[in-house]
Amino acid sequence: DGGITQSPKYLFRKEGQNVTLSCEQNLNHDAMYWYRQDPGQGLRLIYYSQIVNDFQKGDIAEGYSVSREKKESFPLTVTSAQKNPTAFYLCASSMYQGGIKNIQYFGAGTRLSVL
Amino acid sequence: GQNIDQPTEMTATEGAIVQINCTYQTSGFNGLFWYQQHAGEAPTFLSYNVLDGLEEKGRFSSFLSRSKGYSYLLLKELQMKDSASYLCAVRIGTYKYIFGTGTRLKVLA
Repeated sequence: DGGITQSPKYLFRKEGQNVTLSCEQNLNHDAMYWYRQDPGQGLRLIYYSQIVNDFQKGDIAEGYSVSREKKESFPLTVTSAQKNPTAFYLCASSMYQGGIKNIQYFGAGTRLSVL
Repeated sequence: GQNIDQPTEMTATEGAIVQINCTYQTSGFNGLFWYQQHAGEAPTFLSYNVLDGLEEKGRFSSFLSRSKGYSYLLLKELQMKDSASYLCAVRIGTYKYIFGTGTRLKVLA
């Protein structure tokens, strides 16, 4: 089955610790995205990547880092510089087909909490 | 700035019809998407509009008026499983999407 796999489902971070959230897709999509969802707020874009070895900052990139070494994988690291990391993190991907629908498909999410 | 407005919460009865509105003011427009999200789960794609008019897909329909910056999602023959949040999102350019805060729909028996 094609889809997007995020792991772990739940993650706990200690003070001063960096943690990495995994996102893998087997949809052969070019673009991948990371969003943060907080209660009462819309999804906010952290980073996105159009192709391998290239990525762009979204609206709330501070305190986060990403890499795109393979088309299938787009891990997100929440660094100790992110002072309020507790949130639901969603990874998404889409095909780029020159302006056609380019529907975003989402993974099941990782819920990050601070200990 | 970018702004998408949706009602925070709506309640409807099983079997009824409900309309969820979305208004937007964005720096560009390259399509409007509706997603359904059950609590703690991933958003799933429902519909897409890029031209003015109505798109129908089974019990769900979505309407767009670009000149008014307005869309709505229409859900017919409501079922209990339709209780979820409904997210309106506008795509700007090729890769950037702006999401509304979502409308939480409660379907009552």
